[in-house]
Formats: sequence, structure tokens, C-alpha cells
Amino acid sequence: DAKTTQPTSMDCAEGRAANLPCNHSTISGNEYVYWYRQIHSQGPQYIIHGLKNNETNEMASLIITEDRKSSTLILPHATLRDTAVYYCIFRNSGNTPLVFGKGTRLSVIA
Amino acid sequence: GAGVSQTPSNKVTEKGKYVELRCDPISGHTALYWYRQSLGQGPEFLIYFQGTGAADDSGLPNDRFFAVRPEGSVSTLKIQRTERGDSAVYLCASSPTGPNQPQHFGDGTRLSIL
Repeated sequence: DAKTTQPTSMDCAEGRAANLPCNHSTISGNEYVYWYRQIHSQGPQYIIHGLKNNETNEMASLIITEDRKSSTLILPHATLRDTAVYYCIFRNSGNTPLVFGKGTRLSVIA
Repeated sequence: GAGVSQTPSNKVTEKGKYVELRCDPISGHTALYWYRQSLGQGPEFLIYFQGTGAADDSGLPNDRFFAVRPEGSVSTLKIQRTERGDSAVYLCASSPTGPNQPQHFGDGTRLSIL
């Protein structure tokens, strides 16, 4: 069973920042937070991951709380192509399989 | 560069038939994963290969499901005596060896059992 909690759905206006929350209160000290997204009819796409420091790449920023029990994925300027299901997952540093929940369905609206 | 390739993209077959689904991972990726995704759900893990060997097959639902990766590259997922409940999107992912390596997914094979 998935161990993260995410809202079922969210809307965001095009051009605005999309902030997607995730609770992972049972995360262990050696487990990383990963974010993936899945656009309709495609496979999941890796976005970003982190352990305890905030991370940023060309796609998004990841903010992890100090107690590591929750995190927020930020898409700074959402576009219509960002409409997708976003999954928050935590796993250890090995090559363990991913455990997906139902994710958050983000709809970017023009 | 080339991503994970899965063939066929769609497969329709009758109940009771045998099917094979193929996955070509990203070149050089030693870890390969199979997942299954039903409508409205997140992907569910089936089996994971490290090189040629299955490191974890705990997600395979029953003995009708089997997967191989004989040369440590291409993998084939095999389903015998298919049932209507096997209908789903079958996803393959690969990653390099090493800590904190993200998995990269193909677009899946949509399997429909009539």
C-alpha cells in the first residue's frame, strides 16, 4: 500500500505556480522523496527527488519540511502541458521498486 | 537519447491465449522493472531485474505470469492462459546501477483480453 497522502485533485491557472502537497509521516531517515507525473496515455515521467534539502531542477522545485514528514512540489509557471497525475513516493537509496498511490490529478486551466 | 521502448503498444487477444510483451531498456541500464496499471490506479510493481536475474518477483500475481531477461538487456513479460482480469497497461522502467537512480518508464503496452 502507498505510504503517502496526496489530495485527489487540484486546479491551477495557466502561468501561475502550482504547489502540490504530499504527506509522508512514516518516512525513514534513509528514504528519499521522489516525484513523478503521468500525462494521459504515457508512462510516468521522473521529475525530481530529495532527501532533506530543498532541490530545484529545470522542471520543478521540491521543498521538504525540516521534520521530513511532508513536502511540496512546485511548478513555478504552470502550462497546459503540465496537466497530469502527480505521484509522490518515498524509497530508500537502493534500486527498490516504486510504490505508487493514486496521486494528485492537476488540471491547468487557461 | 533513446528512451525505454515497449512493444507492442497495444495487444488485443482472447481469453486463454498466451501473450508476450517486450521491453527494450535504456542502453547501459542494469536495473529493469515491470509494473501493471489498471484504470484509475497508480502502477503496481510486478518484478525487478538486476542484470539477468530477478532480484524481486514478489509482485507477480500468480504462476501464469513470468518474465525473463536472458542477456541483461531486453526483457519479455509472458502471460499464460490469459484472463479478462489481466487487462491493463503493462509498464516497463529501467535505471542505472547506483544509489538514488530514478527509474525511466516506457509508454507501456495496453493489453486487452476479450
